[in-house]
Amino acid sequence: SQQGEEDPQALSIQEGENATMNCSYKTSINNLQWYRQNSGRGLVHLILIRSNEREKHSGRLRVTLDTSKKSSSLLITASRAADTASYFCATPRGGATNKLIFGTGTLLAVQP
Amino acid sequence: DGGITQSPKYLFRKEGQNVTLSCEQNLNHDAMYWYRQDPGQGLRLIYYSQIVNDFQKGDIAEGYSVSREKKESFPLTVTSAQKNPTAFYLCASSLGIQETQYFGPGTRLLVL
Repeated sequence: SQQGEEDPQALSIQEGENATMNCSYKTSINNLQWYRQNSGRGLVHLILIRSNEREKHSGRLRVTLDTSKKSSSLLITASRAADTASYFCATPRGGATNKLIFGTGTLLAVQP
Repeated sequence: DGGITQSPKYLFRKEGQNVTLSCEQNLNHDAMYWYRQDPGQGLRLIYYSQIVNDFQKGDIAEGYSVSREKKESFPLTVTSAQKNPTAFYLCASSLGIQETQYFGPGTRLLVL
């Protein structure tokens, strides 16, 4: 079953605008990761935020984590056409076999 | 795509045929994973391996088999028992089970 659910499923914006994607999860986690996938390619790791962190930045990316609401957001500022991709959040599955569970993703289209 | 490679890029399978997808990494990672991605969907875990000579079933292991005889290699065999094999297959590796995962470029499997 999918632990992470991204919202919205698809997002279309103009170049230069900001894009915000949200991820909700169900169980307690010790970290949450965001990945990007260009069409027909493998996933690329963007950022990892730990459960004791509330906000993290990396270039034009800003990630927040609210453990009380079991949600995270990914903000891409000053978007570019090259940011067009699918974005996935991933959370570790707890228990004896910890491994990542990926959400269904948000498809971002940045119009030039 | 980092130091993880997958081959071939495209693979065609005939009815009743077994096919093997290759995954190699030179990152000295202990853990390796196989995911299946269907159009517009997130990733579903097929098999994973935490260490050489050990592997575990993921969420959709039926109709698939793997081996982990070398640290660098984690081939996936899609057997004739897998009735709906058409999908995009992604291999990944990580230092540990919950660490950042590095993905290969993927193999697209099509049934003739």
